[in-house]
Amino acid sequence: AQRVTQPEKLLSVFKGAPVELKCNYSYSGSPELFWYVQYSRQRLQLLLRHISRESIKGFTADLNKGETSFHLKKPFAQEEDSAMYYCALSGVSGNQFYFGTGTSLTVIP
Amino acid sequence: ETGVTQSPTHLIKTRGQQVTLRCSSQSGHNTVSWYQQALGQGPQFIFQYYREEENGRGNFPPRFSGLQFPNYSSELNVNALELDDSALYLCASSLDIFTDTQYFGPGTRLTVL
Repeated sequence: AQRVTQPEKLLSVFKGAPVELKCNYSYSGSPELFWYVQYSRQRLQLLLRHISRESIKGFTADLNKGETSFHLKKPFAQEEDSAMYYCALSGVSGNQFYFGTGTSLTVIP
Repeated sequence: ETGVTQSPTHLIKTRGQQVTLRCSSQSGHNTVSWYQQALGQGPQFIFQYYREEENGRGNFPPRFSGLQFPNYSSELNVNALELDDSALYLCASSLDIFTDTQYFGPGTRLTVL
């Protein structure tokens, strides 16, 4: 079975503090991992994907196959980072997608 | 370039009825996926259509069916509605079957009474 787990439903950090949103997955194969974000009153949108190995809005995520994790990190949180974050997984063929239950991040001024 | 649009925005149905939700893909996209998002949950994959053919399906019963048209717009049909079908239904399009970046629509909020 394929599953994406985000253990924290709610996460609050102070502005300027580091933030880490956790994501663990189980998948029998080589998955592709993503982070999607939904800002208030906006659509769900892609934040980053592991194969790109890029930093978007200061966020990075490293795929750790040994720990089956894909945690999202940012060294200094900003107020505009407050949003709902979803970790997602797709199989290599790209025709199956699994989302986690999401983590609501609040950055306190 | 127009984004993904969905209609209607909101819908109220009663148990046992049938419903059709519509989605217009982003220009140039030939792949569309549908998701069900219950309150407080992440989106759950229903199925994906690529060039008018169903290409993948999640764990949903056959009463959830879909269509993709030659212009790549899409429909989600749900028969014999149940109370648990109440949810936000999201449509997402992508450039190609092998391109995983999905562009989401605003969703249709379905309430089943």
